[in-house]
Amino acid sequence: GAGVSQSPSNKVTEKGKDVELRCDPISGHTALYWYRQRLGQGLEFLIYFQGNSAPDKSGLPSDRFSAERTGESVSTLTIQRTQQEDSAVYLCASSLRVSTGATYEQYFGPGTRLTVT
Amino acid sequence: GENVEQHPSTLSVQEGDSAVIKCTYSDSASNYFPWYKQELGKRPQLIIDIRSNVGEKKDQRIAVTLNKTAKHFSLHITETQPEDSAVYFCAAVGSNAGGTSYGKLTFGQGTILTVHP
Repeated sequence: GAGVSQSPSNKVTEKGKDVELRCDPISGHTALYWYRQRLGQGLEFLIYFQGNSAPDKSGLPSDRFSAERTGESVSTLTIQRTQQEDSAVYLCASSLRVSTGATYEQYFGPGTRLTVT
Repeated sequence: GENVEQHPSTLSVQEGDSAVIKCTYSDSASNYFPWYKQELGKRPQLIIDIRSNVGEKKDQRIAVTLNKTAKHFSLHITETQPEDSAVYFCAAVGSNAGGTSYGKLTFGQGTILTVHP
């Protein structure tokens, strides 16, 4: 089946504007993760969804960042009042349900490259 | 929380040589260790993973070893080819402040591997 998809692939916005990034996980994957990758660096965890609940939001860098998920499908990451330091690639990944003692492979989408000018 | 250190940051080898990338982790409760390959401008691709109940796993030219006592794991690529050139990331599953694992991955900073023909 289709892999994880994300839109838009690129987004250029002015400082202070709000942006919304979208992720479509692999069908049947109930776990969904958002990560951020700054240029030349590793991936930083932002938030985890199991179904439409978010038991772990510990990686969100500030209250300007929020995310939601509809059922076990699409998720949106919203960044309000964007700042230049928000410029990065935002990656979404999905996996089968996480359960006690079991961790499943995460498959990544192509990412959204956000540039704040 | 989990902390993952990855070395070296860059690695240059001749085609046909072996390449080894090493990572250490801090959370003794971590039980899943994937390796991702990321080509320029593309999404991270899972290439191999290992769980804490085994010490070594091999898939053709790629192998991963895990030393739980020392809390380190390594990626070994034999008979390297130019198409192996990419950034490689190690990761470990992390837990939140309460000690619960949601499959959240903590990544190393990456290793830029260059294979010269």
